Amino acid sequence: DAKTTQPPSMDCAEGRAANLPCNHSTISGNEYVYWYRQIHSQGPQYIIHGLKNNETNEMASLIITEDRKSSTLILPHATLRDTAVYYCIVAGANSKLTFGKGITLSVRP
Amino acid sequence: GAVVSQHPSRVICKSGTSVKIECRSLDFQATTMFWYRQFPKKSLMLMATSNEGSKATYEQGVEKDKFLINHASLTLSTLTVTSAHPEDSSFYICSARGGTGDEEAFFGQGTRLTVV
Repeated sequence: DAKTTQPPSMDCAEGRAANLPCNHSTISGNEYVYWYRQIHSQGPQYIIHGLKNNETNEMASLIITEDRKSSTLILPHATLRDTAVYYCIVAGANSKLTFGKGITLSVRP
Repeated sequence: GAVVSQHPSRVICKSGTSVKIECRSLDFQATTMFWYRQFPKKSLMLMATSNEGSKATYEQGVEKDKFLINHASLTLSTLTVTSAHPEDSSFYICSARGGTGDEEAFFGQGTRLTVV
């Protein structure tokens, strides 16, 4: 599976949009981009995934560049409860999910 | 999203004993289940992948005789840590995935194992 690169941390103000970047320059044509987050001492929570097109659900939006080499997870109105480690994972359909170090998002009041 | 239930959430056991952790998919059939472990302030490390009715595939460096995985039904997988030692103390997390397409995997709440 292709590797991903994420900054180690970022912060944003409560109520503002949080834009979390991810690079996956070696992604192959049949690999999806998945985003999960983990709040301390809990199991990871699924957020969103996509292949080529941008995706939106009740939690977030996923913007994938046209060349698919990078993507951005957008939390439109961050709250304190969105403070977590966010993992960007690239994997084929029905393949195992390999977690990197993720990005620690801190939402400040 | 779908629900994956993991039990127990916390367990303390004595060195040399075995501990079984259960992972259940409550509202979908999990054709594939994954087991991870996580050390403090570290990322999740995949231990093994299991498909219902077949033997688990272990990642390099994971002892299959120590971490026994059973995936006997489409809704239940178990991880047994045999002859536990203090260095096996960790956070163990299961994940379940249904279907054969791009379906997302859902995770249990994790099990905190402490071996004393």
